[in-house]
Amino acid sequence: QKEVEQDPGPLSVPEGAIVSLNCTYSNSAFQYFMWYRQYSRKGPELLMYTYSSGNKEDGRFTAQVDKSSKYISLFIRDSQPSDSATYLCAMSAVGGAQKLVFGQGTRLTINP
Amino acid sequence: DAGVIQSPRHEVTEMGQEVTLRCKPISGHNSLFWYRQTMMRGLELLIYFNNNVPIDDSGMPEDRFSAKMPNASFSTLKIQPSEPRDSAVYFCASSSRSGSPNEQFFGPGTRLTVL
Repeated sequence: QKEVEQDPGPLSVPEGAIVSLNCTYSNSAFQYFMWYRQYSRKGPELLMYTYSSGNKEDGRFTAQVDKSSKYISLFIRDSQPSDSATYLCAMSAVGGAQKLVFGQGTRLTINP
Repeated sequence: DAGVIQSPRHEVTEMGQEVTLRCKPISGHNSLFWYRQTMMRGLELLIYFNNNVPIDDSGMPEDRFSAKMPNASFSTLKIQPSEPRDSAVYFCASSSRSGSPNEQFFGPGTRLTVL
């Protein structure tokens, strides 16, 4: 079983929809949670970062962490075609904060 | 800033050949990471360096893989001999603060095909 599970999709939604992306994990030592966005044939880029549990909002993006359920989410409001990309969750533990473990990535398409 | 620079961008080689991938991190960053991305396994950390010193190489798949960082501005990932299952996109990333989960900045990747 992988430490981090993420549905690879693909996920296709109309422009303006609310998108929900999720990951589950098994390692209770994970404390740092990140979402990276990767456009086709590009390297991933950091989108959101949270420490421990709770919510974080940045514009149209909201990241949620539920450590009791070992479940993290990324919500995208008012989705735009430019949001079409692969979204990867990543996490790390306090003792090895730099050692990121990535999910498989969810491929998202926003249709105009 | 030019960002993380990787070369070559594409590499096609035959099984058994030696492959060397190169990376120049962002100036001033003191942590460097090598990742491999495939459809089957996703993005996997192979090895990372802090201040040019290898910290964790537990992700390196086999002895055929080796990585070096001779100075703060250059790193190589070598595969010798290469095999078809090594075909993947290899990313280099750098970050500015060792020991913390600081943002990692990824390069554009090297797409390796081993025939």
